[in-house]
Amino acid sequence: KAGVTQTPRYLIKTRGQQVTLSCSPISGHRSVSWYQQTPGQGLQFLFEYFSETQRNKGNFPGRFSGRQFSNSRSEMNVSTLELGDSALYLCASSLGASGARQYEQYFGPGTRLTVT
Amino acid sequence: LAKTTQPISMDSYEGQEVNITCSHNNIATNDYITWYQQFPSQGPRFIIQGYKTKVTNEVASLFIPADRKSSTLSLPRVSLSDTAVYYCLVGDKGYSTLTFGKGTMLLVSP
Repeated sequence: KAGVTQTPRYLIKTRGQQVTLSCSPISGHRSVSWYQQTPGQGLQFLFEYFSETQRNKGNFPGRFSGRQFSNSRSEMNVSTLELGDSALYLCASSLGASGARQYEQYFGPGTRLTVT
Repeated sequence: LAKTTQPISMDSYEGQEVNITCSHNNIATNDYITWYQQFPSQGPRFIIQGYKTKVTNEVASLFIPADRKSSTLSLPRVSLSDTAVYYCLVGDKGYSTLTFGKGTMLLVSP
């Protein structure tokens, strides 16, 4: 079974531009979560989508947005890029939470975004 | 959200057993404890998950005392390839959201 794929793997943008990152989850997985990883802040949760609906959102400004399509693929968008948005953006998929049990999440390789 | 505390770093040698302890004093009744491993420039990888007592799989064991306020990840006979950051997470009730702490950087030397 293919793993989580993210495109592009590397991206260089200029301050003020916007960017769209893509994530294809493992086949059959309905939940997709996005994380930002920086040396200073570590891994931080951005948002989670399940069946095309945003189910949870982290503490990030409105410049960060996302969506999920009917095939569970997800995109995240960052508008008006700032230097501090330079990070590794990770996507993770899982079957989807049910009740109290936390389902295992499978992470993609990430997209390395550099803002200059 | 339950907060976790784990050592910033640990050193070990090949062939030794490594135990990484994580404290989570305000863990909720329905929370599970999960450990992930991350190599540089890669996404985290699930290692093991448990609720209480002991869980073992082909790569690690997880020990959870009765009060569940801490847990210990045990890696038997580590090798150089086990050098990575290990994260202890406590699951948010009912959701797939993961809250990562700073993790423990494990360095395995020859």
